[in-house]
Amino acid sequence: NAGVTQTPKFQVLKTGQSMTLQCAQDMNHNSMYWYRQDPGMGLRLIYYSASEGTTDKGEVPNGYNVSRLNKREFSLRLESAAPSQTSVYFCASSGNRGRREKLFFGSGTQLSVL
Amino acid sequence: RKEVEQDPGPFNVPEGATVAFNCTYSNSASQSFFWYRQDCRKEPKLLMSVYSSGNEDGRFTAQLNRASQYISLLIRDSKLSDSATYLCVVNIGGGGFKTIFGAGTRLFVKA
Repeated sequence: NAGVTQTPKFQVLKTGQSMTLQCAQDMNHNSMYWYRQDPGMGLRLIYYSASEGTTDKGEVPNGYNVSRLNKREFSLRLESAAPSQTSVYFCASSGNRGRREKLFFGSGTQLSVL
Repeated sequence: RKEVEQDPGPFNVPEGATVAFNCTYSNSASQSFFWYRQDCRKEPKLLMSVYSSGNEDGRFTAQLNRASQYISLLIRDSKLSDSATYLCVVNIGGGGFKTIFGAGTRLFVKA
């Protein structure tokens, strides 16, 4: 089982460049998420999609856009990268509804913006 | 104040030791609680859920104190493979997007 697959694993951008991070899950989960993880801070939610066809802002959405392409795929786009977006990005998915919802993560993307 | 606070460590312990991590959360409406494990440069993975009555999974014991808004994780007979960062995670209700992550506690187990 692949679980949650995200690409690329590493990326270096120059300020102002754009890129899209891809994520796909094969667990038939309804909900998908994009997080960023910075040193000394917990994972912070950028955007999420509770179900196919819907997307909502999380805690730190500025500078990002998302697309829930279908039930399997959820992409994150940086339109004009900034050094403050240097981080590790994780895609995640979950299938249960409610308070005991468990998250399954992709292997992460290390992004550096110069 | 952070919603979920943990001692960042690192905790350096010898193999076979017992080690305990604590975590506090600020939202009294928090409904469910978890510990995730994150190896260096890897993704977080669910270690265990935390139930009100306390629960055990092999060498790992989790406790919840709702009155004090406090969660703990006890690891007995530490193994080298337990070296990782342990994330305290709280869900404040209503779905996965209401999940709040602590910054993690680093554990190093040495031979």
